[in-house]
Amino acid sequence: AQKVTQAQTEISVVEKEDVTLDCVYETRDTTYYLFWYKQPPSGELVFLIRRNSFDEQNEISGRYSWNFQKSTSSFNFTITASQVVDSAVYFCALSEAGFAGAGNNRKLIWGLGTSLAVNP
Amino acid sequence: DTEVTQTPKHLVMGMTNKKSLKCEQHMGHRAMYWYKQKAKKPPELMFVYSYEKLSINESVPSRFSPECPNSSLLNLHLHALQPEDSALYLCASSQGQTTSYEQYFGPGTRLTVT
Repeated sequence: AQKVTQAQTEISVVEKEDVTLDCVYETRDTTYYLFWYKQPPSGELVFLIRRNSFDEQNEISGRYSWNFQKSTSSFNFTITASQVVDSAVYFCALSEAGFAGAGNNRKLIWGLGTSLAVNP
Repeated sequence: DTEVTQTPKHLVMGMTNKKSLKCEQHMGHRAMYWYKQKAKKPPELMFVYSYEKLSINESVPSRFSPECPNSSLLNLHLHALQPEDSALYLCASSQGQTTSYEQYFGPGTRLTVT
């Protein structure tokens, strides 16, 4: 069965600190997709990144970077030089490849989220 | 433009009321979703529409009735709700129902049932 674990429930840092959010997943499929979403206090879920299981290259986007390691089934997210605007709940999610239809289990499997507070 | 809009932003309704939530996207996406999210929890999938047809109903009570009038619009009709239905209702869309596509979410409707 698929599962996503975000062990850190809450993290609090001071502005300009680097912070890493952990995501560990479980799946039996060889083809799957991993996602990170940000949910600020306003409520809207913002898509950050998608990674497919065949692409283990790390990705950097500005202050954000992602480390995908299949050997440890992890897809960790690092914010460099954090800012107050980074304060949000961050969700990691997994989907197994295929068509998400009724009767199959192909849908987004969400972690419980990590609440990040960046203090001035 | 990766925008999904939802109205209203906030809704308070009594248990005997009938109301509707609306969602709109202009990205040409063919799959649209309704999620329910309780505080401090991840979103829970309710319904999926693909090419304007209901594709997935996650055993949602009949007091929630989805409708997809066209490829850009998605409604959620509410009737005889219970206080436990109070939550943030999120609409999302994606290029298709294949799981490789990322979903884009609207800002949500915060629903309070009194």
